[in-house]
Amino acid sequence: GAVVSQHPSWVICKSGTSVKIECRSLDFQATTMFWYRQFPKQSLMLMATSNEGSKATYEQGVEKDKFLINHASLTLSTLTVTSAHPEDSSFYICSAREPGRDTGELFFGEGSRLTVL
Amino acid sequence: GQNIDQPTEMTATEGAIVQINCTYQTSGFNGLFWYQQHAGEAPTFLSYNVLDGLEEKGRFSSFLSRSKGYSYLLLKELQMKDSASYLCAPWDSNYQLIWGAGTKLIIKP
Repeated sequence: GAVVSQHPSWVICKSGTSVKIECRSLDFQATTMFWYRQFPKQSLMLMATSNEGSKATYEQGVEKDKFLINHASLTLSTLTVTSAHPEDSSFYICSAREPGRDTGELFFGEGSRLTVL
Repeated sequence: GQNIDQPTEMTATEGAIVQINCTYQTSGFNGLFWYQQHAGEAPTFLSYNVLDGLEEKGRFSSFLSRSKGYSYLLLKELQMKDSASYLCAPWDSNYQLIWGAGTKLIIKP
């Protein structure tokens, strides 16, 4: 089946620094990837849709300048949390759909737990 | 607006059967997904229903009634490893997944 890999799994950073999270589709090409954030005991919140070769589409309330998304190739999307603050601490998860799969389910990366001190 | 309603938490016994209900209101509908999410991990796909009726897949079955805006996930022969959150997620008319907060299922020996 389709495999999506995310890196790093855990990251701790100081307030004010930037953190980059990578999301790779390992055995298929993903023209579109989705970035989610999940706070403890809450539902997944779609942050943005990453489109290969073009600008990401951000959901309402998500700061474009703070959460930079780059989808430079068909197998890699990156999320950079710029000038991170403690309130950005969360579980960030990427996902993608495998082209041609009838059911259209999302395949998720392992997730990246960000802790900002 | 768009809304998903699932019980927050359920408890069941190992070897038993449990049904997790989900009611939804969305702008249009293109099917409904169930995902399993273990604590600290990303969700994994369980099932997809687009037509009314029951879809069976091993120990897990999922049911959909589009007219009632209702779905359930049925888990049989419960195992301890089934302890997880179960997320109901309908697809709206724009093929955007609407996520519920999930039902935390606790399995007791």
